[in-house]
Order: sequence, then structure tokens, then C-alpha cells
Amino acid sequence: NAGVTQTPKFQVLKTGQSMTLQCAQDMNHEYMSWYRQDPGMGLRLIHYSVGAGITDQGEVPNGYNVSRSTTEDFPLRLLSAAPSQTSVYFCASRDRDRGRIGRPGELFFGEGSRLTVL
Amino acid sequence: RKEVEQDPGPFNVPEGATVAFNCTYSNSASQSFFWYRQDCRKEPKLLMSVYSSGNEDGRFTAQLNRASQYISLLIRDSKLSDSATYLCVVSRPLSNDYKLSFGAGTTVTVRA
Repeated sequence: NAGVTQTPKFQVLKTGQSMTLQCAQDMNHEYMSWYRQDPGMGLRLIHYSVGAGITDQGEVPNGYNVSRSTTEDFPLRLLSAAPSQTSVYFCASRDRDRGRIGRPGELFFGEGSRLTVL
Repeated sequence: RKEVEQDPGPFNVPEGATVAFNCTYSNSASQSFFWYRQDCRKEPKLLMSVYSSGNEDGRFTAQLNRASQYISLLIRDSKLSDSATYLCVVSRPLSNDYKLSFGAGTTVTVRA
């Protein structure tokens, strides 16, 4: 069982370039999300999706786009890379609770993508 | 003010020692609490959920203090393999899901 798969693991970009981080999960989770992790800060939510065709902004959405055409895939697009987007990016998925247990289920993370923008 | 705050550490402890650390949260609407573990340059993984009455999982004990708005994690009989960063995660309900807030993590280093 692969879980959450992210690619690429490492990427170096020049300022102004665009790229897409890929994320796929095989657990049939409705909820998928993208976080960035920077030193001294908690994981910060970029965008999330509660199901195919539905996306919403998190805390730090500027400079990023997402789409959710299938349950399995949730790509993150950097439109015009900036040095401030140098970070480690994590894709994560979980079941939606829908009131069954009254709290969010376990969040499963991909292995991370280390992005450097020069 | 950050929604979740943790002492970054590092906590350097010898094998076999007990180590404990806290996490404070600011939003009183928070309802669910978790500890995630993150090894160096790896992804976070769920360590344990935190229940109102406190709970144990082997050598790990989690406590919740709603009045003072903090949760704690205690590790007994520390092993070298416990060296990691421990992330506190706090959840509160939204209209259609939950908002999860992450602390920056507490680093624990267990030495031989």
C-alpha cells in the first residue's frame, strides 16, 4: 500500500519559473492538503480539498494554485517561483469524519518535496 | 499570537531517562489534540491522540488540561530511537471539516 506519494523529492528553480508538485494517494481519502514547513514554524496549510472538484485556500495560499479533478490526485502549482517559496512541502490526506467520531482522522503525509528557489 | 506554541528544545536526555514537555494552545474552541512525531528530514507521523482523561501508549503518556489550555507528552525509559521532533496538533471544528493547527515542534535527542 503506497499511501501518499509526492514527486519530485528535490527541485531547484530560478525566480520566475513555474512548476507542479505532484501528489497522489491510494487510500480513497476525500480530504487532501498541502503544507509548507519552514524552520521555527509549524506546518502551514497552503490549500486543501474536501473532495473531487472542491478546493479551498488555507493560511498561505498566495503564489500557489491547486486543482482536484480526481479523488486520488492533488497537484500544487507554483505560478512564478520566488525565493520566499523555498521550503519543504508536504502533501497529506485523511478520511473526512462526517461526524462519525467527532474528530479528524489520522493525517497521512507524503515524504516531502524540498524546493529551493534561487 | 501563534495558535499553538511549543518549547523548541532541544531536550538532551540520556537513555533510560524520563522527558516531558508541553504544548499550549490559544483557541478555547479547540476540541481534539494529537502528537505527531517527525524524524529528521522525514514526514510527520501520528504518535497518539490525546483524550480528556489522559492516555498511555507504552512508554508514552499524553495529558490534556483544558482549563489551562495545554497538552503534555511524557516519555519514560527513553530509547535512542525516540530522538525526533514531536509536533503538537490542535483541531477545532469548521462548518464542513476541521482546522488543524501545528506547533513548530519540540526536539528530543536521546544519547547513549
